[in-house]
Amino acid sequence: DTGVSQDPRHKITKRGQNVTFRCDPISEHNRLYWYRQTLGQGPEFLTYFQNEAQLEKSRLLSDRFSAERPKGSFSTLEIQRTEQGDSAMYLCASSISDDEQFFGPGTRLTVL
Amino acid sequence: GNSVTQMEGPVTLSEEAFLTINCTYTATGYPSLFWYVQYPGEGLQLLLKATKADDKGSNKGFEATYRKETTSFHLEKGSVQVSDSAVYFCALTQSGGYNKLIFGAGTRLAVHP
Repeated sequence: DTGVSQDPRHKITKRGQNVTFRCDPISEHNRLYWYRQTLGQGPEFLTYFQNEAQLEKSRLLSDRFSAERPKGSFSTLEIQRTEQGDSAMYLCASSISDDEQFFGPGTRLTVL
Repeated sequence: GNSVTQMEGPVTLSEEAFLTINCTYTATGYPSLFWYVQYPGEGLQLLLKATKADDKGSNKGFEATYRKETTSFHLEKGSVQVSDSAVYFCALTQSGGYNKLIFGAGTRLAVHP
């Protein structure tokens, strides 16, 4: 399967713990996006990478959140000191320039 | 700011019924408009898109027309099937905005035999 993959698919953690998610985009896709989706809502944009450069961050991305794409391939999203309000589905998407974004299956985070 | 408003669901239809899911948007400039679909247990998939006013996007029997005068992009299908049961999201990207997607809240469609 050469689609976008995300790991893990599910994560349960206790409040205050740190978590890290990984996204592997479709190879040769230079653009990578992170979105967050809460129950009953559409996805909300978090951040955007073009190759290894993080070019935009949403105001939703507090200082507890950090994302990297060190070699312009896979990306990680880390949440420090998790809170119950961080519980959501975290989606990754990739694209070639302005073309269609392809979404991964998401990582569902539950903070107890 | 830019936003998308969709009709609330769930929408429940019988097989072969006509489907309309309303979507209106607020945006500066000239956005591109999209419908994404999320089938049970699967990721988001692009269903169709339109990039300029009066364009009609179509796929799998679904269609939507970009109406700038009414700022709308309503999704229609003439005859739905049980397999169309899913959550449908209307979305836009704004020009010069790194192509980030702004989604509506989604509309759940349930089609029964």
